[in-house]
Amino acid sequence: IAGITQAPTSQILAAGRRMTLRCTQDMRHNAMYWYRQDLGLGLRLIHYSNTAGTTGKGEVPDGYSVSRANTDDFPLTLASAVPSQTSVYFCASSLKVGSYGYTFGSGTRLTVV
Amino acid sequence: AQKVTQAQTEISVVEKEDVTLDCVYETRDTTYYLFWYKQPPSGELVFLIRRNSFDEQNEISGRYSWNFQKSTSSFNFTITASQVVDSAVYFCALSGPISGSGNTGKLIFGQGTTLQVKP
Repeated sequence: IAGITQAPTSQILAAGRRMTLRCTQDMRHNAMYWYRQDLGLGLRLIHYSNTAGTTGKGEVPDGYSVSRANTDDFPLTLASAVPSQTSVYFCASSLKVGSYGYTFGSGTRLTVV
Repeated sequence: AQKVTQAQTEISVVEKEDVTLDCVYETRDTTYYLFWYKQPPSGELVFLIRRNSFDEQNEISGRYSWNFQKSTSSFNFTITASQVVDSAVYFCALSGPISGSGNTGKLIFGQGTTLQVKP
């Protein structure tokens, strides 16, 4: 792996189902982020983690949860998917909080039907 | 509150034309970073530039140039002699304070400008 790996690349999900988007980085970056991208709205922060064991809420956290059990992994869970969660999801990391030098994953395209 | 506005939703130019993408930001922080990212049709986000609030010097990198003006809270991006490969969505983004307790590492993105360069 080099950088950030997101899985799956794309997914069609029935409304009401539970789904976990995976994000793994191999750069030993402390800070990780989840953004969603919607047309006309740009990228909006869902959740973030400044270091392993800590998480925080971003602009649009409702309906999503995250965990940060270790430095490398930062999964995003949709407990009960709704159509408004149809979006492209990007995971990002930075060496430390405030360094702002983001590395982005390639994104997960999620469609909730 | 922080905000980034990219008023141009879509721009279409013919190859070799120059094009400027506008970015206006709002922040109460005295120190911050500004960014431009490119998202080609393949979907990945490509970092283009980071400027800090201390440095208002314009920057040129090949066909790309950036004009940062604190007086107007703008950070505009110009592509000279555009090429078809420049076709992409371009995002401007703003950070929080560079240091101190308000430093959260989070970025605020603009809505994006879709640039289409026709041959």
